[in-house]
Amino acid sequence: AQKVTQAQTEISVVEKEDVTLDCVYETRDTTYYLFWYKQPPSGELVFLIRRNSFDEQNEISGRYSWNFQKSTSSFNFTITASQVVDSAVYFCALSPRFKTIFGAGTRLFVKA
Amino acid sequence: DAGITQSPRHKVTETGTPVTLRCHQTENHRYMYWYRQDPGHGLRLIHYSYGVKDTDKGEVSDGYSVSRSKTEDFLLTLESATSSQTSVYFCAISEQGVGIEQFFGPGTRLTVL
Repeated sequence: AQKVTQAQTEISVVEKEDVTLDCVYETRDTTYYLFWYKQPPSGELVFLIRRNSFDEQNEISGRYSWNFQKSTSSFNFTITASQVVDSAVYFCALSPRFKTIFGAGTRLFVKA
Repeated sequence: DAGITQSPRHKVTETGTPVTLRCHQTENHRYMYWYRQDPGHGLRLIHYSYGVKDTDKGEVSDGYSVSRSKTEDFLLTLESATSSQTSVYFCAISEQGVGIEQFFGPGTRLTVL
């Protein structure tokens, strides 16, 4: 079975705090891709990052970083020094073949 | 921004009526997708297309049909709308079917009374 679990339904932090969004996936495929998307209050979906199953290097992009660990089937997303503009719903997604499976999303509230 | 539009953006309809949602792209991408977004479920794939007249079912395809007669247009039809189909519908496109990000349209909010 293919599945993505985002156990944190909602997270609330104060601006400048660091926050980590968890993502755990299940797949029997050896080749697959993982994604994070952001959905701000305006409703559009914005692509953030893609990772393939053979590349376990962590990635940093500004205040955003991603930790991919195949051993624990996790692809976690950390926002450093959070800002109010980071308030959004964040989706983790798994694509083993032609279909993409999304997690239920984590709603992040960043308070000023 | 990827050129993807959806129409209508909002629609209220009654149970039992047919509804067609349109997705139009200007990117000439081969793959197009229809998702629905519901609280607690994230996005769930309804149908997708991998070329003109080539479509396949997703995980929640019951009650929906699709058609793609041109590269740029992907239509989603609810033959007889039910209240359980009240949702936000997103269209997405991608150049390839695997291993590449999808670009999403603005969404259509459908309410079935």
